[in-house]
Amino acid sequence: ETGVTQTPRHLVMGMTNKKSLKCEQHLGHNAMYWYKQSAKKPLELMFVYSLEERVENNSVPSRFSPECPNSSHLFLHLHTLQPEDSALYLCASSLHVGELFFGEGSRLTVL
Amino acid sequence: GQQLNQSPQSMFIQEGEDVSMNCTSSSIFNTWLWYKQDPGEGPVLLIALYKAGELTSNGRLTAQFGITRKDSFLNISASIPSDVGIYFCAYPSGGGKLIFGQGTELSVKP
Repeated sequence: ETGVTQTPRHLVMGMTNKKSLKCEQHLGHNAMYWYKQSAKKPLELMFVYSLEERVENNSVPSRFSPECPNSSHLFLHLHTLQPEDSALYLCASSLHVGELFFGEGSRLTVL
Repeated sequence: GQQLNQSPQSMFIQEGEDVSMNCTSSSIFNTWLWYKQDPGEGPVLLIALYKAGELTSNGRLTAQFGITRKDSFLNISASIPSDVGIYFCAYPSGGGKLIFGQGTELSVKP
């Protein structure tokens, strides 16, 4: 238990669906992140939120839309995804640079 | 951004053996981090290194920050089955970003 909770753990969606991934942290951290993990590739940073403001958008396609309503919650809204977007999506939070605490991930399959 | 090269990409060892893996970069870093990802879980921070030459232990794990500041090593002594997983090196890239290597996948045969 890392204090970072992600739901759902598994999601299967069609290319025309709209779904959302949710992340919640109970650690009092001030920054939250979305990473994408595909097979045989390094973890790829997607978005960084610091104090609820987006400070990084790492050239992510607009079909991924993040939302950070407060410092404890982070969402990733998914719309019109492609099969190559199938991956493990990891949320993380931190108080200090470098010491990220990850959730267990949401395994996404796009059909 | 800078790339990290981890080697080996995968290892298959017998329980009780020692393990050694490393991470290199073409750039100088001020911080090296080692994470472990258990199957079906997110990565967990194992060891953080902040000074060239620093040697830090966490139980059976020992990590070193290379003198050149371009590499780092992680050793696991007397491996056990629960050491199975993917080990990542990482460095902070600024602006809250953490850049990861591609990982070393460790399998341990009982």
